[in-house]
Amino acid sequence: QLVLTQSPSASASLGASVKLTCTLSSGHSTYAIAWHQQPPEKGPRYLIKINSDGSHSKGDGIPDRFSGSSSGAERYLTISSLQSEDEADYYCQTWDTGMWVFGGGTKLTVL
Amino acid sequence: EVQLVESGGGLVQPGGSLRLSCAASGFTVSSNYMSWVRQAPGKGLEWVSIIYGGGTTYYTDSVKGRFTISRHNSKNTVYLQMNSLRAEDTAVYYCAKLRSGSYVDYWGQGTLVTVSS
Repeated sequence: QLVLTQSPSASASLGASVKLTCTLSSGHSTYAIAWHQQPPEKGPRYLIKINSDGSHSKGDGIPDRFSGSSSGAERYLTISSLQSEDEADYYCQTWDTGMWVFGGGTKLTVL
Repeated sequence: EVQLVESGGGLVQPGGSLRLSCAASGFTVSSNYMSWVRQAPGKGLEWVSIIYGGGTTYYTDSVKGRFTISRHNSKNTVYLQMNSLRAEDTAVYYCAKLRSGSYVDYWGQGTLVTVSS
């Protein structure tokens, strides 16, 4: 079964970097995923797609502070030079034939 | 510029019906996979329904037989007809475009559906 696992919460200081993790279920380690950002009381926004080889492509207007990488079944979103507006929920998403899946989301707090 | 604008949300009694609309611009809905995703209060994102470019549809189990996704090509609009609504359908409903049937690359701003007596 295709499942994405995310830690419920993360925190980092203003100006620092943070690395969020999305883990693919067993047998699905070659799948690509996408990250979406949802600020408080707002709709989601597509950030970046990450392939199993770590190559990635970003959405329109996404700053260079957001980057992606991959290792085994884990897909990472790294946010550098954290700003207050980066405080949000972050969801990973993947897909298979006739199936689309979201992770449970990670709430990022900027201290 | 791609834009998705939802409308049609509101307060409805249990057992009632509602039709959501998603007006798209900057691309052609009939050539793309389009979806509805919902978010219950304080919860995560949940796929509701998807319509493929060829017209094939997908529904999550909890809405099968009650919800219908469709599109009007000349209006470049996608719809979600929701019947027999339940309290657990209360959520913000987002329209989303899928890139080549895979990941969401554009989201609408959402429309709130509240099912309550």
